[in-house]
Amino acid sequence: QKEVEQDPGPLSVPEGAIVSLNCTYSNSAFQYFMWYRQYSRKGPELLMYTYSSGNKEDGRFTAQVDKSSKYISLFIRDSQPSDSATYLCAMALVSRDDKIIFGKGTRLHILP
Amino acid sequence: GAGVSQSPRYKVAKRGQDVALRCDPISGHVSLFWYQQALGQGPEFLTYFQNEAQLDKSGLPSDRFFAERPEGSVSTLKIQRTQQEDSAVYLCASSHSGRAQETQYFGPGTRLLVL
Repeated sequence: QKEVEQDPGPLSVPEGAIVSLNCTYSNSAFQYFMWYRQYSRKGPELLMYTYSSGNKEDGRFTAQVDKSSKYISLFIRDSQPSDSATYLCAMALVSRDDKIIFGKGTRLHILP
Repeated sequence: GAGVSQSPRYKVAKRGQDVALRCDPISGHVSLFWYQQALGQGPEFLTYFQNEAQLDKSGLPSDRFFAERPEGSVSTLKIQRTQQEDSAVYLCASSHSGRAQETQYFGPGTRLLVL
């Protein structure tokens, strides 16, 4: 079992819909949880960052972390065609080890 | 200011050739990371530098992979005697200090194809 599991999709939704993306993980020591967006032939860019459990909102994006279930989610409201990309969840430990462990990414298509 | 840049953007190599991939991090960023991203997968950690010191190389898949950052800025990832399984996108990222909670800024990657 990989440390971070993420459904690769693709996920296709109509413009304006709410999108729900999620990941599960196995290492209960993870403390930092991130979502990256990666457009085709580009490097990943950080979208949202959460420490420990809870919710964080930034515009149309909401990140949720449920450490008891080892489950994290990203919600996108009022989805736009420009949101079409691969979304990577990522997480890291609280330690001197600065490695980030990525999920394999979910390909999202927003249909105009 | 400029972001992380990588060169070349695309590289085709014959099996057995040596390749060198370059990363120019954001100016002043202490930490530099190399990742390998296979098709349809997320990035996987290869190695990490803090200034010129290589603090973690646990992700390098074999002794054919070697990375350096001699002056604490530009870094080079070298792959000797390339194999087909080395075909992937190689991503470089830099961050101000390198702690996990700090944003890592990624370059566009070098797409390596080994024939």
